[in-house]
Amino acid sequence: ELKVEQNPLFLSMQEGKNYTIYCNYSTTSDRLYWYRQDPGKSLESLFVLLSNGAVKQEGRLMASLDTKARLSTLHITAAVHDLSATYFCAVDTTEYGNKLVFGAGTILRVKS
Amino acid sequence: EAGVAQSPRYKIIEKRQSVAFWCNPISGHATLYWYQQILGQGPKLLIQFQNNGVVDDSQLPKDRFSAERLKGVDSTLKIQPAKLEDSAVYLCASSLAWGWTIYFGEGSWLTVV
Repeated sequence: ELKVEQNPLFLSMQEGKNYTIYCNYSTTSDRLYWYRQDPGKSLESLFVLLSNGAVKQEGRLMASLDTKARLSTLHITAAVHDLSATYFCAVDTTEYGNKLVFGAGTILRVKS
Repeated sequence: EAGVAQSPRYKIIEKRQSVAFWCNPISGHATLYWYQQILGQGPKLLIQFQNNGVVDDSQLPKDRFSAERLKGVDSTLKIQPAKLEDSAVYLCASSLAWGWTIYFGEGSWLTVV
C-alpha cells in the first residue's frame, strides 16, 4: 500500500520566519504534487515535481524532490499571513494503478 | 476557462436517506475523479474514470456508493443509504489525461445526521 506522510501536521509560525514541511512516501513515484487548500475551499495546485532533484519556486514557496530518499520538501521563506492554509502533498505512481494518494495535510498558521 | 463545477454545494440528510452529487469537468478533460475528504484528513480517491470507463474503483464502498459518467462528460455520485461516517466533502476533479495536472472543483459538503 502506498503511504504518504507529512510532518508537521500543524505549524504555527511568525511572519518573516522560514520553515520547511516534509513529505515522505513509501514507494517509487511518477509525480509528486503540492496543493494548497483554504478553509471551505477546494484544492489549488501549487507544484508538480517529476524527477529526482527537481526544484520549483513560486513566490515565497519552493518545492524540491529527492526520489532516492522518497522525500519532498516545501520550504517557506519569510512567511506572510496570506500563506495561512492547509498544504497537501500527493503522489501518483503506475505501481499503484495511477492513483493519486494524499498525505494528511499540514495546517499552517502565520501569525502577525 | 471554466473550472470543475459541482452541485449541490451543501447537503444535510438523515442517515439511511439517499443523496446524489453532480460534476461537470473542464471541457475536453478525459479523466474524472471523485475524492472523499473527511474533516482533518487528506482526500481519498473513490473512483476514477477515463472517458466513460472506470479505471479504478477499489476504494468505493460499492454496497452504498455508485457513480457513473454519462457520455464521457458529466458524472454523478450517489450514496444510498447514507451513514453517519459518510459526512465529508466530496471533491470532483478532472485532468486532460492521466499524468496531467488535476483540477479540483469546490466540493460538495455532506452532513449526515
